[in-house]
Amino acid sequence: KAGVTQTPRYLIKTRGQQVTLSCSPISGHRSVSWYQQTPGQGLQFLFEYFSETQRNKGNFPGRFSGRQFSNSRSEMNVSTLELGDSALYLCASSLRAGKSTDTQYFGPGTRLTVL
Amino acid sequence: AQSVTQLDSQVPVFEEAPVELRCNYSSSVSVYLFWYVQYPNQGLQLLLKYLSGSTLVESINGFEAEFNKSQTSFHLRKPSVHISDTAEYFCAVSRSGGGADGLTFGKGTHLIIQP
Repeated sequence: KAGVTQTPRYLIKTRGQQVTLSCSPISGHRSVSWYQQTPGQGLQFLFEYFSETQRNKGNFPGRFSGRQFSNSRSEMNVSTLELGDSALYLCASSLRAGKSTDTQYFGPGTRLTVL
Repeated sequence: AQSVTQLDSQVPVFEEAPVELRCNYSSSVSVYLFWYVQYPNQGLQLLLKYLSGSTLVESINGFEAEFNKSQTSFHLRKPSVHISDTAEYFCAVSRSGGGADGLTFGKGTHLIIQP
């Protein structure tokens, strides 16, 4: 079974631009979560999607948004990029939403650099 | 809200020596506990998890962790490390009472194996 895939793997943008990252979960998984990883703040939860609905959201500004499609694939969007948005963005999928016992499987991440 | 403290940002150890990576958590509700490993340029992989039952949990590659409720700790141990264990290790918690607001991670411990 293929793992979680994320595209693109690397991205360079300039301040003020917007960016869209994509995540394809493991086949059969219906929940997708996004995390931001930075050297200073570590790993932080962005949001979780299930059945095309955002279920939970972390403490991030409204510039960070996402969506999920009917095939469970998810995208996250960051508008008006700031230097501090430079990070590794990780996507994780799990079978169900709201089940802390379900293992989250992580993709390799998208490395975003904002210049 | 939950929080996780990994007391050591880096742990150097000689090959074939034992190692312990420390993790303490704080939460007002019951939690599940996880250890994830991240190899260079890769996403996170689940190493082991504690949901309930025996407080000692083991992984397939020789790591083990013990849940200590009174000390709110979930330290990771391995009796003999190998050069391939060089990686970043993250301790994480999630609420156990239903609902899911994502995993809360510690800042990570970089395990450095010296030959």
